[in-house]
Amino acid sequence: AQKVTQAQTEISVVEKEDVTLDCVYETRDTTYYLFWYKQPPSGELVFLIRRNSFDEQNEISGRYSWNFQKSTSSFNFTITASQVVDSAVYFCALSGGTGTASKLTFGTGTRLQVTL
Amino acid sequence: GAGVSQSPRYKVAKRGQDVALRCDPISGHVSLFWYQQALGQGPEFLTYFQNEAQLDKSGLPSDRFFAERPEGSVSTLKIQRTQQEDSAVYLCASSSRVLGGNQPQHFGDGTRLSIL
Repeated sequence: AQKVTQAQTEISVVEKEDVTLDCVYETRDTTYYLFWYKQPPSGELVFLIRRNSFDEQNEISGRYSWNFQKSTSSFNFTITASQVVDSAVYFCALSGGTGTASKLTFGTGTRLQVTL
Repeated sequence: GAGVSQSPRYKVAKRGQDVALRCDPISGHVSLFWYQQALGQGPEFLTYFQNEAQLDKSGLPSDRFFAERPEGSVSTLKIQRTQQEDSAVYLCASSSRVLGGNQPQHFGDGTRLSIL
């Protein structure tokens, strides 16, 4: 069975602070994919990043960066110089690697509140 | 349209009524997923279609839930004899079929279902 744990339920930061959202996963698959999605108050889940289990290189996209560590089964997400528009619920998700499509297993999400 | 479209956006029904939720995926996307998101939780997988074939329905909570995608495009999720515990946001997602890995799923805004 697959499982994703996001231990941080809610985080509050002041604008321009850096913030890291934690994600720990469990899977028996040797090939798998990890994702982060953002859910603003409007409700739509917005895709941020996909990572496969064979690529442990960290990735940076603007103010966003991701740290994938297989040894600790973690896929953490850092927002640098946070902004009010970053306020949302962030979900980490996992899928198996067989076939061309697979269901996502989500964590319970971390609500990020960025204030002025 | 450019994204996944779901209708209605909100649905209120009395307990015992049947409801039908519609999903129009991104044009050309062969994979379609339904998820259920309870308040304060992450989305949970319900069912998956590849074209018109329902390849996985392991997440449907009971035989009152039924999904179809007869022409491999638009999908309908039907809930019969609704109960209060069916109240949730129902999310639809689609993804393109590309060999070699799980492509990101793109989500609609969801249908918020409230059972009175």
